[in-house]
Amino acid sequence: EVQLLESGGGLVQPGGSLRLSCAASGFTFSSYAMTWVRQAPGKGLEWVSGISGSGTTYYADSVKGRFTISRDNSKNTLYLQMNRLRGEDTAVYYCAKCGYDNVWGSSADYWGQGTLVTVSS
Amino acid sequence: QSVLTQPPSVSGAPGQRVTVSCTGSSSNLGSGYDVHWYQQLPGTAPELLIYANTNRPSGVPDRFSGSKSGTSASLAITGLQAEDEADYYCQSYDSSRSGWVFGGGTTLTVL
Repeated sequence: EVQLLESGGGLVQPGGSLRLSCAASGFTFSSYAMTWVRQAPGKGLEWVSGISGSGTTYYADSVKGRFTISRDNSKNTLYLQMNRLRGEDTAVYYCAKCGYDNVWGSSADYWGQGTLVTVSS
Repeated sequence: QSVLTQPPSVSGAPGQRVTVSCTGSSSNLGSGYDVHWYQQLPGTAPELLIYANTNRPSGVPDRFSGSKSGTSASLAITGLQAEDEADYYCQSYDSSRSGWVFGGGTTLTVL
């Protein structure tokens, strides 16, 4: 059974940093691309970033230069380092497994339960 | 303003058929990139409903179906049930943005 468990969310001041983690199990982690999708309170889904199994990365323009996605295939863990956080980054952040080992052609076939990031002073 | 355009809401009576449209452009659906659909029940994480335009993951009832033509796609739900009340999102890849794009979401109300 595929399981994705996010952690690391919380309250942070504007300009601060936070690192999200996503522990994966139930599939061969290194063989699939992974992605982060966020949802601001009461809003729709917004794609944040994706990474292939071998480490090619993709970012939404809204986070490029501030967020860094990475993965540790030996630990079956996905990360999202978030720097220079802004109020508009407040959202539930979902980790999701892609259906293939590429981001561009994939859907997100399994999702975690999400972790809330609140950026406020 | 979302790159993929969906109606904000649709509704139907139990047993009826409803469709949710998703309109893109030449840099996403029109370039041949697949469209995928997700269902988000209230207070829960999204779940994959349709992938690669027309395919249902295991466990998704055949009441749900997808189609795609040119720069548009549709999700059809037949035999509406109260449990289908949810938000529905389409998603694809956009070559001009080098990343995923989502529709703004459609709220389905079962009357």
